[in-house]
Amino acid sequence: ETGVTQTPRHLVMGMTNKKSLKCEQHLGHNAMYWYKQSAKKPLELMFVYNFKEQTENNSVPSRFSPECPNSSHLFLHLHTLQPEDSALYLCASSQSARGNTGELFFGEGSRLTVL
Amino acid sequence: AQSVSQHNHHVILSEAASLELGCNYSYGGTVNLFWYVQYPGQHLQLLLKYFSGDPLVKGIKGFEAEFIKSKFSFNLRKPSVQWSDTAEYFCAVNGDAGKSTFGDGTTLTVKP
Repeated sequence: ETGVTQTPRHLVMGMTNKKSLKCEQHLGHNAMYWYKQSAKKPLELMFVYNFKEQTENNSVPSRFSPECPNSSHLFLHLHTLQPEDSALYLCASSQSARGNTGELFFGEGSRLTVL
Repeated sequence: AQSVSQHNHHVILSEAASLELGCNYSYGGTVNLFWYVQYPGQHLQLLLKYFSGDPLVKGIKGFEAEFIKSKFSFNLRKPSVQWSDTAEYFCAVNGDAGKSTFGDGTTLTVKP
C-alpha cells in the first residue's frame, strides 16, 4: 500500500481511442507528478502540479493532456496516441513541488499498450 | 540543468557478496539525493535519502550510501546482499526546484 493509487493498472487502446489514466493520493501532499517509464530508458518527468497548478510541462506532446482538479487527484487524458507511447505511466506525489520537495511516493503504475 | 549517471546497468552477484552501485550527478547548487528501489512487480519506493548533515546515510534493509560532494557522487552500498535484494535501483537528484531527475537504473540480480 503506497498511499498513491492508479487506475487502470493495464490499458490497451487503439491509436484513435480516447482514454484517461487516474491517480489519487491519500497522503495529504500538495504536489503530484506524471512520469513515463519505458524499457531501457530513464524515468521521464512529464508534468508537475503544485497546489493544483501546473508548474512543469516537460515538452510533452499535446496528445497527452493532464488535469488536476484538486491536490489529491490527477488525470492523464490520452488521445490519438502512437505505438511508441506504450509504456508504464507512473504517478507520484510529494509534500511540495517547490524547493525541497522531499521524497516522491509512487503509485504502482498504469501499463499502457497502444496498438 | 541537473543530470544523473548510473555506471552499472546490470549487476549479478551471489548471495553474501558485497554491493556497490555507482551514481554521479551534475548540478551546480545544493542537492537532495535519493536511491529508490523497484522490486519485481512492485512500485518504486524510497531506499534512502540525503538532505544534509552526515554524508553517510543509512536506509532500509541494510543499505547505505555516501555523499561525496567533491566527486558529485552518491554511491549505494550493502555489505552482504540477499536473494530478496534482486530489484532495479534508481539514483535520483533533486536540485532544480520542483522536480527529481532519475538515472537509467541498475538491475541487480542476486543468485541464491
